[in-house]
Amino acid sequence: NAGVTQTPKFQVLKTGQSMTLQCAQDMNHNSMYWYRQDPGMGLRLIYYSASEGTTDKGEVPNGYNVSRLNKREFSLRLESAAPSQTSVYFCASSEIQGYGYTFGSGTRLTVV
Amino acid sequence: AQTVTQSQPEMSVQEAETVTLSCTYDTSESDYYLFWYKQPPSRQMILVIRQEAYKQQNATENRFSVNFQKAAKSFSLKISDSQLGDAAMYFCAYRRVGTYKYIFGTGTRLKVLA
Repeated sequence: NAGVTQTPKFQVLKTGQSMTLQCAQDMNHNSMYWYRQDPGMGLRLIYYSASEGTTDKGEVPNGYNVSRLNKREFSLRLESAAPSQTSVYFCASSEIQGYGYTFGSGTRLTVV
Repeated sequence: AQTVTQSQPEMSVQEAETVTLSCTYDTSESDYYLFWYKQPPSRQMILVIRQEAYKQQNATENRFSVNFQKAAKSFSLKISDSQLGDAAMYFCAYRRVGTYKYIFGTGTRLKVLA
């Protein structure tokens, strides 16, 4: 099925460990995004990539890095995980501005 | 700064009845888009409906419709003939034309009672 694929779906990390969340879309979208979802706070933008070769910070970029590997793939890296990064992470993509995102199914990350 | 407010953390509706979820937003912009997203227990975010601010006509998608009041900065979602599968978190979102960033509300959890 066409869409946005995120891996892994669940992950538990120890404080200080690093990991990369992977995201790939097969809809030929130019723009890709990483959001985190926390209870009572909605979704907050971490980083986005308007097009291949560009990345920009969102609302809550501290503690994260991203790589737009090619048009299809946009990864999110936690270099040194902290308990405050326990959250559900969503990748999304879009083509036409204003049309709406297509979201991945999310990654539930717990940092202990 | 733009903000999106969903003042109802939780709502309940009887199956086959109609329910309205509220959303207000604050912006000084005139060109923007508004969205409602549904997040069922599966966690998948699904676009329900979108509205362009320049359009006066309210958007509809089958049983889902919006009441867009631009002057009041209000964007409510009406679900008619509610079904058990409508039970989910619903998020209102705003996006200014020419930007990539959405601003999401904190969500309303909808329960559908059989």
